[in-house]
Amino acid sequence: DVKVTQSSRYLVKRTGEKVFLECVQDMDHENMFWYRQDPGLGLRLIYFSYDVKMKEKGDIPEGYSVSREKKERFSLILESASTNQTSMYLCASSLSDRGGYTFGSGTRLTVV
Amino acid sequence: QKEVEQDPGPLSVPEGAIVSLNCTYSNSAFQYFMWYRQYSRKGPELLMYTYSSGNKEDGRFTAQVDKSSKYISLFIRDSQPSDSATYLCAMSRPYNTDKLIFGTGTRLQVFP
Repeated sequence: DVKVTQSSRYLVKRTGEKVFLECVQDMDHENMFWYRQDPGLGLRLIYFSYDVKMKEKGDIPEGYSVSREKKERFSLILESASTNQTSMYLCASSLSDRGGYTFGSGTRLTVV
Repeated sequence: QKEVEQDPGPLSVPEGAIVSLNCTYSNSAFQYFMWYRQYSRKGPELLMYTYSSGNKEDGRFTAQVDKSSKYISLFIRDSQPSDSATYLCAMSRPYNTDKLIFGTGTRLQVFP
């Protein structure tokens, strides 16, 4: 069974902390994505990557950065966490030649 | 105007009812259409995947695409309480199948 694994289900961090969200996929997918999901706003794309060491900004990249050193791992970094980054964060991966993402279970991040 | 519009619901139906979930879109270039189901506190999972216009059936689920009206639907027959979830539509363009555009999701509740 193919899987996208997010390292934490729930996180509570303080304002100003640097936060790392980890995502690992075991499907040898080229593409990986980070979304945040908020009520009424749906899924918003933060960053995505089509290949190792490659990254592209999504719709809301401000306050975030990413790292993809290995094909299977895509990390989201909140440089200095703020309360408006409290959200559900979803990682996804896909193959290049077809649509359809496989999502992780999500990380619910609370910044206090 | 959003590229993809979806009624947020909630939609509440009795067990056994036929459910119709819908999305409209504005970009006529979309060719790939998907439906995701998301249970509470979980990541979305791919439910149905269709290309261009027409119908696709999978068990109790039927996905319908009407490109002339820019309208897609998901029908659930004989709905069950286990179908209670949020349903998200998603779509993409040819040669850009990796970049999905999501609707905000419709929350469905099926009561016994």
